[in-house]
Amino acid sequence: DQQVKQNSPSLSVQEGRISILNCDYTNSMFDYFLWYKKYPAEGPTFLISISSIKDKNEDGRFTVFLNKSAKHLSLHIVPSQPGDSAVYFCAASLATGKLIFGQGTTLQVKP
Amino acid sequence: SQTIHQWPATLVQPVGSPLSLECTVEGTSNPNLYWYRQAAGRGLQLLFYSVGIGQISSEVPQNLSASRPQDRQFILSSKKLLLSDSGFYLCAWSPHGTVGQPQHFGDGTRLSIL
Repeated sequence: DQQVKQNSPSLSVQEGRISILNCDYTNSMFDYFLWYKKYPAEGPTFLISISSIKDKNEDGRFTVFLNKSAKHLSLHIVPSQPGDSAVYFCAASLATGKLIFGQGTTLQVKP
Repeated sequence: SQTIHQWPATLVQPVGSPLSLECTVEGTSNPNLYWYRQAAGRGLQLLFYSVGIGQISSEVPQNLSASRPQDRQFILSSKKLLLSDSGFYLCAWSPHGTVGQPQHFGDGTRLSIL
């Protein structure tokens, strides 16, 4: 049972445009949501998170939106840069601190 | 600052051989520790987590085991590797007793079983 889903395996955008990465979840008990970025042969790096009591969190070029009624969150990157090209994982946290990860979306930002 | 070390970076092992992957964390005390596996084209699957020395929780039945002999040391082991154990193994830590804190990952071990 996949509790966290990233239905788009890949996304390609032009440099300077907006990248929107999507994530859906099924468990209403998740209390935090996180986005990680991963380069090949490296571990994931934490990007940004959002509490389930908020609907938006912004950090520089990165903004995460949470729609609890739809059980949907998204990561917006504006403007996109070639260095943003990586695999992005969304994750959901239970009160125990365990994270449930989505399958990942590969973002390619073209110069 | 806190750092996490994982080794080796890559490993090629024959089927049926034993395995030992080590992970250590510096700059923090009593961290929560985690082992994940990323199979080809898939997300990160939590294998084990530990909230203290000698305390190990297993998330999925499998051919692997984990141990935490010291506060900041986490070891992933197998007595006999299977082909299906191939993958990218990641160790992570998070502050103990906190909610919503991100986990921080090591650079992983690429394990290939022949």
